[in-house]
Amino acid sequence: NAGVTQTPKFQVLKTGQSMTLQCAQDMNHNSMYWYRQDPGMGLRLIYYSASEGTTDKGEVPNGYNVSRLNKREFSLRLESAAPSQTSVYFCASSETGTQGWSTDTQYFGPGTRLTVL
Amino acid sequence: GNSVTQMEGPVTLSEEAFLTINCTYTATGYPSLFWYVQYPGEGLQLLLKATKADDKGSNKGFEATYRKETTSFHLEKGSVQVSDSAVYFCALRKKGRRALTFGSGTRLQVQP
Repeated sequence: NAGVTQTPKFQVLKTGQSMTLQCAQDMNHNSMYWYRQDPGMGLRLIYYSASEGTTDKGEVPNGYNVSRLNKREFSLRLESAAPSQTSVYFCASSETGTQGWSTDTQYFGPGTRLTVL
Repeated sequence: GNSVTQMEGPVTLSEEAFLTINCTYTATGYPSLFWYVQYPGEGLQLLLKATKADDKGSNKGFEATYRKETTSFHLEKGSVQVSDSAVYFCALRKKGRRALTFGSGTRLQVQP
């Protein structure tokens, strides 16, 4: 099992450019998440998807869009990158319990380090 | 709102020293509490968790006890190794909420 994979590992963009960060999981999890990690601030939730075909905003969604392409894949798109979006981006996934809520353990990918000049 | 506060790092220890990383939280109700570890160049991994008051989570020699009266979940290890050098994140998840709320992380450096 590869777990959660992310591509690319590193990316440098100019202000105004667009790009898509890819995430895939092979654990058959229903829920997937995108976080950003900034120095001294821990991780903050950007968007999440409770199941295929659904997405919801997290704490810091402005400037981002997401697509839950299928059960395995959850992509994050920056339409017009800004320097404030320089960060490390983590994708995660978790199981959904029988009552529809996620169980506690989230599994994280290795991250994408994005720099916007 | 929910929040998690961790001690500032870096924490620098010699091998075999005792480790404590403090974590306190603010949340209504009884959230689940977690410690995640991030080794250099890798994503976060769950280290341990506790889902109700007085529960003790443990893994790989690390322990943390859910203290409702002090709203704390301090991480401890009796004898650290160089391989424990990493960033440690305390986090909480309220029941029924999908997302985790993370602290800012504490970097641990263990010297031989």
